[in-house]
Amino acid sequence: NAGVTQTPKFRVLKTGQSMTLLCAQDMNHEYMYWYRQDPGMGLRLIHYSVGEGTTAKGEVPDGYNVSRLKKQNFLLGLESAAPSQTSVYFCASSYGRLGAYNEQFFGPGTRLTVL
Amino acid sequence: RKEVEQDPGPFNVPEGATVAFNCTYSNSASQSFFWYRQDCRKEPKLLMSVYSSGNEDGRFTAQLNRASQYISLLIRDSKLSDSATYLCVVNWEGSNYKLTFGKGTLLTVNP
Repeated sequence: NAGVTQTPKFRVLKTGQSMTLLCAQDMNHEYMYWYRQDPGMGLRLIHYSVGEGTTAKGEVPDGYNVSRLKKQNFLLGLESAAPSQTSVYFCASSYGRLGAYNEQFFGPGTRLTVL
Repeated sequence: RKEVEQDPGPFNVPEGATVAFNCTYSNSASQSFFWYRQDCRKEPKLLMSVYSSGNEDGRFTAQLNRASQYISLLIRDSKLSDSATYLCVVNWEGSNYKLTFGKGTLLTVNP
């Protein structure tokens, strides 16, 4: 099992460009999440999905869109990148509802720089 | 008040030392508690869940004090490989999707 994979690993964008980050999991997990991690801050939830075809906003959704057309994939889109979106983006998944016995697994991250 | 606060660190300890990390959380409805470990430029990985009665996994011991809204992680006999950032993570009752992460405490174990 590959677990959670993310594509690409690194990307540099110019302000105003668009891109899509792809997250894939092969664990048959229902829930998937997108976080961003910035220096001096904890991970912050951007969007999440509790199943195929469903998405919802997290703490910091502005400037991002997501889609979950297939259970195993969760896409994060930046329509018009801004320097404030320079960050490390982590995708995660869990079998179901979070709790003491339901672990969240993370992908290796995508390092995005917006110039 | 921030939702999850951790010791700011960094902690620099010699091999073999015992080190303790503390974490406080502000939401009394918090239900599940975790310590994650994050190596430099890597993803977070679950180190251990924290149970009400406290729990131990080898050299690692986690404690929870609900009355004081306080979580701790104790590492005994530190190894070089324990060098990482330790994240305190909380999930509150009724929130089936949201984990709240602390900023993390950096630990460096020196030879």
